[in-house]
Amino acid sequence: GEDVEQSLFLSVREGDSSVINCTYTDSSSTYLYWYKQEPGAGLQLLTYIFSNMDMKQDQRLTVLLNKKDKHLSLRIADTQTGDSAIYFCAVSSGGYQKVTFGTGTKLQVIP
Amino acid sequence: DVKVTQSSRYLVKRTGEKVFLECVQDMDHENMFWYRQDPGLGLRLIYFSYDVKMKEKGDIPEGYSVSREKKERFSLILESASTNQTSMYLCASSAAGAGTGELFFGEGSRLTVL
Repeated sequence: GEDVEQSLFLSVREGDSSVINCTYTDSSSTYLYWYKQEPGAGLQLLTYIFSNMDMKQDQRLTVLLNKKDKHLSLRIADTQTGDSAIYFCAVSSGGYQKVTFGTGTKLQVIP
Repeated sequence: DVKVTQSSRYLVKRTGEKVFLECVQDMDHENMFWYRQDPGLGLRLIYFSYDVKMKEKGDIPEGYSVSREKKERFSLILESASTNQTSMYLCASSAAGAGTGELFFGEGSRLTVL
C-alpha cells in the first residue's frame, strides 16, 4: 500500500520561513494534502494540490510537488506562534479516494 | 457550520470490554472513515465506508469492526478491548464524486484500556 513519510519535528524562530517535507510511494496519487492539527483538536485541511500541478500558492503557504521524486513540501512564510501545530502530509488514491497520512511533523515556533 | 461529532471525547475501559465509538456527520457525505492516531505513527486507517451498510477494511482492521446503518452515522466497535488499543480515534467524512476528497474530522475520542 501507499507509504507516506515525513520528519517528526521542526523548530523555527518567529518570522522565519518553515519548510515541511514529505515523500510518498504511490505515483498514481491524485490529490495531495496538508492537514493541520492544533492541540486537542481534529485535523483541518490547510491546502491541497492536484497531481498535475507543480506548485500552489495560498497567502503565506506554498506547496511544491516534485512528481519525479515523489516529494511534497509545504512552506510557511513569516511563521507565527499560532502556526505551532502538527502538520500531516496526506495522499489520496483509488476509486474511493482512500487517504493515507504521514506520521505528522510537529512544528514548534520560538518567539 | 459543517460538523463531524464523536460522541465521547474520553473513555476509560477495562481489558475484554466491548467498546462502541459513535460518529455522526451532518454534511450528507457518502464516505466515512475511522483512523487511529498514535505518536510517531501518524494516522492509520482502520475501516471506511462508502455507502450505507457497506464497509471496507483499511490498513489495520484487526480487532475492530464497524457498522453503518444510516448515512450520517458510522460506529467503530472493539469487540474485546485490549491495552494495545489505547489510542486516539478520529472519525472523518468526505463527499463522493470528483471533488478534492477533503476529509472533515471530528475532535477525536481518546480511549484508554486498562
